[in-house]
Amino acid sequence: GAVVSQHPSRVICKSGTSVKIECRSLDFQATTMFWYRQFPKKSLMLMATSNEGSKATYEQGVEKDKFLINHASLTLSTLTVTSAHPEDSSFYICSARDPLERTDTQYFGPGTRLTVL
Amino acid sequence: KQEVTQIPAALSVPEGENLVLNCSFTDSAIYNLQWFRQDPGKGLTSLLLIQSSQREQTSGRLNASLDKSSGRSTLYIAASQPGDSATYLCAVSRGGSEKLVFGKGTKLTVNP
Repeated sequence: GAVVSQHPSRVICKSGTSVKIECRSLDFQATTMFWYRQFPKKSLMLMATSNEGSKATYEQGVEKDKFLINHASLTLSTLTVTSAHPEDSSFYICSARDPLERTDTQYFGPGTRLTVL
Repeated sequence: KQEVTQIPAALSVPEGENLVLNCSFTDSAIYNLQWFRQDPGKGLTSLLLIQSSQREQTSGRLNASLDKSSGRSTLYIAASQPGDSATYLCAVSRGGSEKLVFGKGTKLTVNP
């Protein structure tokens, strides 16, 4: 199956700083990538859909000015958490679809654990 | 609004036992349903994907069924092993660029 990587896997930052998380599709080109957030003992919640070459589509309740998404190439999407606060501490996971696959499978990255002090 | 429910929230079984995990969804207008495995602190591994036109999919000791009209899916794990211990997530999609809607998962523990 297709492989999606994320970097970094773990990050600790001070409150007020910005953190960038990268999501890469390693062996396929992804026109669409998805960013999810997972709180302890909760479901994965979609934050936004990242579209190559256009603006991301944010889910209701997600601040687009706080969670900046850039999908500048067919293999890379980035999520920047701006002015991070402790309540932003969470597990962030991206996924990507291979448009050549008819099954519409989403392949997930290994996730990034963000801790804001 | 689509809602996905997984029962039970946690399950503990002895090694070798066959088990069933349940998933239900409120809107039957789905394109596909996926079962994932998540190990602690890790990302998701796709186990099985069932298209809306299919009734079941099998992979090794895993069998997933789908009853779209009743909004239910089951994941059957045969001859469970300690290595099967993980959280199992069910998710549905309306296809294309539509998002996946996840359940909260079932945490499975298989005791040696």
